[in-house]
Amino acid sequence: NAGVTQTPKFRILKIGQSMTLQCTQDMNHNYMYWYRQDPGMGLKLIYYSVGAGITDKGEVPNGYNVSRSTTEDFPLRLELAAPSQTSVYFCASFLDSGANVLTFGAGSRLTVL
Amino acid sequence: AQSVTQLDSQVPVFEEAPVELRCNYSSSVSVYLFWYVQYPNQGLQLLLKYLSGSTLVKGINGFEAEFNKSQTSFHLRKPSVHISDTAEYFCAVSGRGGATNKLIFGTGTLLAVQP
Repeated sequence: NAGVTQTPKFRILKIGQSMTLQCTQDMNHNYMYWYRQDPGMGLKLIYYSVGAGITDKGEVPNGYNVSRSTTEDFPLRLELAAPSQTSVYFCASFLDSGANVLTFGAGSRLTVL
Repeated sequence: AQSVTQLDSQVPVFEEAPVELRCNYSSSVSVYLFWYVQYPNQGLQLLLKYLSGSTLVKGINGFEAEFNKSQTSFHLRKPSVHISDTAEYFCAVSGRGGATNKLIFGTGTLLAVQP
């Protein structure tokens, strides 16, 4: 049982490049989330999904896209990377059973130069 | 919508001293409340949670928090801190189920324990 797995752990992008941050969970959780963490700003919700085929915007969705074709996977795509997207990205999931406990991945550190 | 305010960005404290990290929330619906801890270069781990029942919640590593509905607060406390408690602590709130089930985090409080 690996929990929530994020790849890559580190990545440097040039301005204007695109990339996908991968997130997969093996706990059969229905809810999945993407957060970004910036110093002094806490975690901001980018997108979330309540199940396969369903996604919705969070607090800071601009410049990102997501998809949820399976229960396990919730990739985050950055189109036309900008320096403002330099951040640490966390994927998280939980099972909507009333416990409301998020399981977090280890994070992906992205730098846009 | 929900929001969370952590009033202190940094709390320095000496080892074995008590500590309180403050958290206030705002919501138009009933909420669940959480404290998460993040050690350097790691992801977030759940410290404790309030879902219902007793307003005093005990978590891991000797931490506890009290839900105060009238003051919309959920302050985190520990009677005696250790060097190993040095970390960033995040308070979080979510609505109870359905479309409101998004976890919103505060900006975090860095607990710096000094010898």
